Amino acid sequence: QLQVQESGPGLVKPSETLSLTCAVSGDSIRSSSYYWGWIRQPPGKGLAWIGSIYYSGSTYYNPSLKSRVTIIRDTSKNQFSLKLSSVTAADTAVYYCARADYYGSGTWGGLDLWGQGTMVTVSS
Amino acid sequence: EIVMTQSPATLSVSPGERATLSCRASQSISSNLAWYQQKPGQAPRLLIYHASTRASGIPARFSGSASGTEFTLTISSLQSEDFATYFCQQYNNWLWTFGQGTKVEFK
Repeated sequence: QLQVQESGPGLVKPSETLSLTCAVSGDSIRSSSYYWGWIRQPPGKGLAWIGSIYYSGSTYYNPSLKSRVTIIRDTSKNQFSLKLSSVTAADTAVYYCARADYYGSGTWGGLDLWGQGTMVTVSS
Repeated sequence: EIVMTQSPATLSVSPGERATLSCRASQSISSNLAWYQQKPGQAPRLLIYHASTRASGIPARFSGSASGTEFTLTISSLQSEDFATYFCQQYNNWLWTFGQGTKVEFK
């Protein structure tokens, strides 16, 4: 069955690094037809795009987080990961991984496949 | 960064009524816009992409339209399961941005 599933610690201490993994099943992250991304949602607030990765390994990051974000893929495990360094309470959110269609030449479609999300709390 | 502004923040509607949600882009995004529905405790679900194309399995009562930088999501006859929060998202360039959401609540 086609799905994506986030995993990782639910509690991270301030100043440490948040690490999450998105496991993809039923599809291959080596497909040139998709971008894979991370989106977060603070409690009671809206959605914010964190960054995306292509099968080639090329990445795009939200400039507001760029200095702290790294997204990498592991094609052997069919998964991709998010690392967010120097976290603060403002990074407390539900973190989602998702898939977007890619049509080439810098054109995308909507995010059509989402994980259930994982809540990460930053607290000492 | 392209800013997406949704209105209204909250829309009170009775079942069976028509709901019209708006989303404005701060600059041209062509038709590179998607709409999502999110219910409490759930992940967003893609409703519309390319401004007006319904995603797979989405009922025909959901429709999207565009005029310049103004985008509209219309729910023709609101069903009980449609009470939720709706987000627009632009993907015109690599820096994807979302609107702040419109909550459709029971009137």
